[in-house]
Amino acid sequence: DIQMTQSPSTLSASVGDRVTITCRASQSINSWLAWYQQKPGKAPKLLIYKASRLESGVPSRFSGSGSGTEFTLTISSLQPDDFATYYCQQYNSYSPWAFGQGTKVEIK
Amino acid sequence: EVQLLESGGGLVQPGGSLRLSCAGSGFTFSSYGMSWVRQAPGKGLEWVSGISGSVDSTYYADSVKGRFTISRDNSKNTLYLQMNSLRDEDTAVYYCAKGVTGSGIYNFDHWGQGTLVTVSS
Repeated sequence: DIQMTQSPSTLSASVGDRVTITCRASQSINSWLAWYQQKPGKAPKLLIYKASRLESGVPSRFSGSGSGTEFTLTISSLQPDDFATYYCQQYNSYSPWAFGQGTKVEIK
Repeated sequence: EVQLLESGGGLVQPGGSLRLSCAGSGFTFSSYGMSWVRQAPGKGLEWVSGISGSVDSTYYADSVKGRFTISRDNSKNTLYLQMNSLRDEDTAVYYCAKGVTGSGIYNFDHWGQGTLVTVSS
């Protein structure tokens, strides 16, 4: 099975900060990676798919990069609405559809 | 507007059964793969099961294989998850999620609001 590992698990940041979250796959998944944002008590929301493609309606301060086994999600200027937990997900194989363990972005 | 509405969650004893439903609207239901994803209290997301749009392919996480069955009725725009032999560790919010294609492997572009399943004696 493909394992997805995110780092850090928790990140403390201030409004306006540039934030980067890393996701590593245990084997190559090409560019078949998505990023989701989840707020407490809510369903996840798709932000990025195919590693770097921004979902319609998602602010341009979110961006994704990477391929193979290493990926990053960057928030260029953190906004109050961005404090949430972020998950990466591989969809390269039915290995199964694996999620990372999540990164919680907290207010510093 | 795409909408996914789960139902069927509740309290069940260990060893019991439950059937979850997810009604889809705002899209051509039969054209898209669907999955169930769960989240135990305070934990991360875990993919549980998936099914192709044409119902010819189903997939399961090892943790539920042999106990859970995914199905769909495209005439009713509804996805199901039959859960048998439930265990304490199956306690979670269960989300249905819509894939971006009908078959193959895909990410999820819309999610329901979730339904809570509690397994406890």
